[in-house]
Amino acid sequence: GQQVMQIPQYQHVQEGEDFTTYCNSSTTLSNIQWYKQRPGGHPVFLIQLVKSGEVKKQKRLTFQFGEAKKNSSLHITATQTTDVGTYFCAEGSGGSNYKLTFGKGTLLTVNP
Amino acid sequence: DTAVSQTPKYLVTQMGNDKSIKCEQNLGHDTMYWYKQDSKKFLKIMFSYNNKELIINETVPNRFSPKSPDKAHLNLHINSLELGDSAVYFCASSEFNYGYTFGSGTRLTVV
Repeated sequence: GQQVMQIPQYQHVQEGEDFTTYCNSSTTLSNIQWYKQRPGGHPVFLIQLVKSGEVKKQKRLTFQFGEAKKNSSLHITATQTTDVGTYFCAEGSGGSNYKLTFGKGTLLTVNP
Repeated sequence: DTAVSQTPKYLVTQMGNDKSIKCEQNLGHDTMYWYKQDSKKFLKIMFSYNNKELIINETVPNRFSPKSPDKAHLNLHINSLELGDSAVYFCASSEFNYGYTFGSGTRLTVV
Protein backbone atom coordinates (compact mmCIF):
# COMPACT_ATOMS: atom_id res chain seq x y z
CA GLY A 1 0.00 0.00 0.00
CA GLN A 2 0.90 3.64 -0.26
CA GLN A 3 3.37 4.80 2.35
CA VAL A 4 4.55 8.16 3.51
CA MET A 5 8.15 8.48 4.68
CA GLN A 6 8.71 11.00 7.42
CA ILE A 7 12.03 12.58 8.42
CA PRO A 8 13.74 13.17 10.71
CA GLN A 9 12.80 10.51 13.22
CA TYR A 10 13.99 12.67 16.11
CA GLN A 11 14.81 16.35 16.51
CA HIS A 12 16.12 18.07 19.59
CA VAL A 13 16.18 21.88 19.62
CA GLN A 14 16.82 24.72 22.01
CA GLU A 15 13.76 26.75 22.88
CA GLY A 16 13.42 29.54 20.36
CA GLU A 17 14.94 27.59 17.46
CA ASP A 18 12.91 26.61 14.43
CA PHE A 19 11.87 23.05 13.59
CA THR A 20 10.77 21.33 10.38
CA THR A 21 9.53 17.83 9.70
CA TYR A 22 9.09 16.44 6.19
CA CYS A 23 6.79 13.88 4.70
CA ASN A 24 7.50 12.27 1.30
CA SER A 25 5.66 9.88 -0.94
CA SER A 26 6.67 8.14 -4.17
CA THR A 27 3.14 8.59 -5.51
CA THR A 28 0.74 11.50 -5.75
CA LEU A 29 -1.27 12.08 -2.61
CA SER A 30 -4.92 13.07 -2.68
CA ASN A 31 -4.53 14.89 0.61
CA ILE A 32 -2.26 15.00 3.63
CA GLN A 33 -3.11 15.46 7.27
CA TRP A 34 -0.92 16.41 10.22
CA TYR A 35 -1.33 15.33 13.82
CA LYS A 36 0.45 16.07 17.10
CA GLN A 37 0.75 13.56 19.92
CA ARG A 38 2.02 14.77 23.29
CA PRO A 39 3.96 12.25 25.41
CA GLY A 40 1.43 9.91 27.00
CA GLY A 41 -1.38 11.48 25.00
CA HIS A 42 -3.39 10.76 21.91
CA PRO A 43 -2.98 12.11 18.36
CA VAL A 44 -4.67 15.46 17.83
CA PHE A 45 -5.64 16.59 14.35
CA LEU A 46 -3.89 19.79 13.28
CA ILE A 47 -4.73 20.33 9.63
CA GLN A 48 -5.60 18.82 6.25
CA LEU A 49 -4.00 19.96 2.99
CA VAL A 50 -5.70 19.15 -0.29
CA LYS A 51 -4.52 21.50 -3.03
CA SER A 52 -1.24 21.45 -4.90
CA GLY A 53 1.16 24.06 -3.48
CA GLU A 54 -1.16 24.82 -0.57
CA VAL A 55 0.28 26.71 2.40
CA LYS A 56 -1.61 27.10 5.66
CA LYS A 57 -0.60 28.76 8.89
CA GLN A 58 -1.69 28.25 12.47
CA LYS A 59 0.10 30.79 14.68
CA ARG A 60 3.76 29.61 14.70
CA LEU A 61 3.01 26.50 12.59
CA THR A 62 3.26 26.57 8.79
CA PHE A 63 2.09 23.63 6.70
CA GLN A 64 2.95 23.15 3.03
CA PHE A 65 1.80 20.72 0.36
CA GLY A 66 4.18 20.28 -2.54
CA GLU A 67 3.33 21.32 -6.08
CA ALA A 68 3.40 17.71 -7.22
CA LYS A 69 1.42 16.60 -4.15
CA LYS A 70 4.15 14.14 -3.26
CA ASN A 71 5.55 15.88 -0.22
CA SER A 72 4.55 18.03 2.68
CA SER A 73 6.22 19.85 5.53
CA LEU A 74 5.41 21.25 8.93
CA HIS A 75 7.53 24.15 10.14
CA ILE A 76 7.43 25.55 13.66
CA THR A 77 8.92 29.00 14.21
CA ALA A 78 10.56 29.80 17.55
CA THR A 79 9.77 26.55 19.32
CA GLN A 80 8.40 26.52 22.85
CA THR A 81 8.42 23.74 25.44
CA THR A 82 4.71 23.25 24.75
CA ASP A 83 5.62 22.10 21.21
CA VAL A 84 7.16 18.90 22.58
CA GLY A 85 5.61 15.77 21.11
CA THR A 86 5.52 13.51 18.08
CA TYR A 87 4.29 15.01 14.83
CA PHE A 88 2.71 12.64 12.33
CA CYS A 89 1.73 13.12 8.74
CA ALA A 90 -0.98 10.87 7.35
CA GLU A 91 -2.49 10.20 3.95
CA GLY A 92 -5.83 8.79 2.92
CA SER A 93 -5.41 5.74 0.70
CA GLY A 94 -7.15 5.87 -2.63
CA GLY A 95 -8.49 9.35 -2.02
CA SER A 96 -10.58 8.22 0.90
CA ASN A 97 -9.89 8.75 4.56
CA TYR A 98 -11.50 5.44 5.49
CA LYS A 99 -7.93 4.19 5.72
CA LEU A 100 -5.54 6.86 6.95
CA THR A 101 -1.93 5.68 6.73
CA PHE A 102 0.40 7.40 9.15
CA GLY A 103 4.06 8.19 8.77
CA LYS A 104 6.35 7.01 11.55
CA GLY A 105 6.41 10.45 13.13
CA THR A 106 9.04 12.94 14.22
CA LEU A 107 9.65 13.23 17.94
CA LEU A 108 10.45 16.83 18.87
CA THR A 109 12.09 17.63 22.18
CA VAL A 110 12.75 21.21 23.26
CA ASN A 111 15.43 22.24 25.71
CA PRO A 112 14.24 25.22 27.81
CA ASP B 1 -18.16 16.14 27.54
CA THR B 2 -15.46 13.97 26.02
CA ALA B 3 -15.91 13.74 22.24
CA VAL B 4 -14.49 10.21 21.82
CA SER B 5 -14.35 8.20 25.01
CA GLN B 6 -12.90 4.74 25.36
CA THR B 7 -12.76 2.46 28.36
CA PRO B 8 -10.83 1.16 30.10
CA LYS B 9 -7.79 3.43 30.04
CA TYR B 10 -5.52 0.64 31.25
CA LEU B 11 -5.89 -3.09 30.91
CA VAL B 12 -3.47 -5.66 32.35
CA THR B 13 -4.34 -9.26 31.68
CA GLN B 14 -2.84 -12.71 31.32
CA MET B 15 -2.14 -14.51 28.08
CA GLY B 16 -5.07 -16.49 26.83
CA ASN B 17 -7.72 -14.24 28.37
CA ASP B 18 -10.51 -12.50 26.44
CA LYS B 19 -11.02 -8.76 26.88
CA SER B 20 -13.12 -5.93 25.44
CA ILE B 21 -12.51 -2.24 24.89
CA LYS B 22 -15.46 0.09 24.46
CA CYS B 23 -15.64 3.29 22.44
CA GLU B 24 -18.32 5.94 22.13
CA GLN B 25 -18.38 9.22 20.21
CA ASN B 26 -20.84 12.07 20.67
CA LEU B 27 -19.75 14.06 17.61
CA GLY B 28 -22.36 12.67 15.25
CA HIS B 29 -19.65 11.29 12.96
CA ASP B 30 -20.53 8.50 10.55
CA THR B 31 -17.15 6.79 10.59
CA MET B 32 -15.25 5.15 13.44
CA TYR B 33 -11.88 3.42 13.58
CA TRP B 34 -9.58 1.29 15.67
CA TYR B 35 -5.85 1.94 15.50
CA LYS B 36 -3.00 0.12 17.21
CA GLN B 37 0.10 2.01 18.35
CA ASP B 38 3.12 -0.13 19.09
CA SER B 39 6.06 0.58 21.36
CA LYS B 40 7.81 2.49 18.56
CA LYS B 41 4.80 4.81 18.27
CA PHE B 42 3.80 3.43 14.88
CA LEU B 43 0.07 3.95 14.30
CA LYS B 44 -1.55 1.22 12.25
CA ILE B 45 -5.16 0.99 11.20
CA MET B 46 -7.08 -2.10 12.24
CA PHE B 47 -10.72 -1.44 11.31
CA SER B 48 -12.93 1.25 9.81
CA TYR B 49 -16.69 1.32 10.18
CA ASN B 50 -19.10 3.61 8.37
CA ASN B 51 -22.63 3.79 9.70
CA LYS B 52 -22.21 0.48 11.54
CA GLU B 53 -20.83 -1.29 8.45
CA LEU B 54 -17.30 -2.66 8.23
CA ILE B 55 -15.34 -0.81 5.52
CA ILE B 56 -11.74 -1.70 6.27
CA ASN B 57 -10.35 -4.83 7.91
CA GLU B 58 -6.61 -4.47 7.72
CA THR B 59 -5.45 -8.10 7.90
CA VAL B 60 -6.03 -8.23 11.61
CA PRO B 61 -6.04 -11.72 13.22
CA ASN B 62 -9.58 -12.98 13.63
CA ARG B 63 -9.04 -13.05 17.39
CA PHE B 64 -9.93 -9.35 17.09
CA SER B 65 -13.63 -8.79 16.52
CA PRO B 66 -15.05 -5.28 16.28
CA LYS B 67 -18.73 -4.63 16.87
CA SER B 68 -20.72 -1.51 16.08
CA PRO B 69 -24.21 -1.63 17.61
CA ASP B 70 -24.91 1.90 16.28
CA LYS B 71 -22.90 4.60 14.58
CA ALA B 72 -21.90 6.19 17.90
CA HIS B 73 -20.30 3.04 19.29
CA LEU B 74 -17.49 0.79 18.15
CA ASN B 75 -16.25 -1.86 20.54
CA LEU B 76 -13.29 -4.19 20.18
CA HIS B 77 -13.24 -7.70 21.57
CA ILE B 78 -10.01 -9.66 21.68
CA ASN B 79 -9.92 -13.42 22.23
CA SER B 80 -7.01 -15.52 23.44
CA LEU B 81 -4.72 -12.58 24.13
CA GLU B 82 -1.05 -12.94 23.21
CA LEU B 83 2.04 -11.09 24.42
CA GLY B 84 2.33 -9.38 21.03
CA ASP B 85 -1.07 -7.78 21.50
CA SER B 86 0.42 -5.44 24.11
CA ALA B 87 0.08 -1.92 22.71
CA VAL B 88 -2.01 1.21 22.98
CA TYR B 89 -5.32 0.92 21.14
CA PHE B 90 -6.95 4.11 19.92
CA CYS B 91 -10.51 4.57 18.85
CA ALA B 92 -11.24 7.50 16.53
CA SER B 93 -14.10 9.00 14.57
CA SER B 94 -14.39 11.41 11.66
CA GLU B 95 -16.62 13.05 9.13
CA PHE B 96 -16.00 11.69 5.63
CA ASN B 97 -12.61 12.82 4.28
CA TYR B 98 -11.68 15.00 7.20
CA GLY B 99 -9.47 14.80 10.27
CA TYR B 100 -9.87 12.17 12.92
CA THR B 101 -10.79 12.78 16.55
CA PHE B 102 -9.01 10.21 18.69
CA GLY B 103 -9.97 8.84 22.07
CA SER B 104 -7.43 8.92 24.88
CA GLY B 105 -6.35 5.34 24.25
CA THR B 106 -6.35 2.01 26.08
CA ARG B 107 -2.96 0.73 27.17
CA LEU B 108 -3.17 -3.05 26.98
CA THR B 109 -0.48 -5.10 28.71
CA VAL B 110 -0.52 -8.86 28.31
CA VAL B 111 1.57 -10.77 30.85
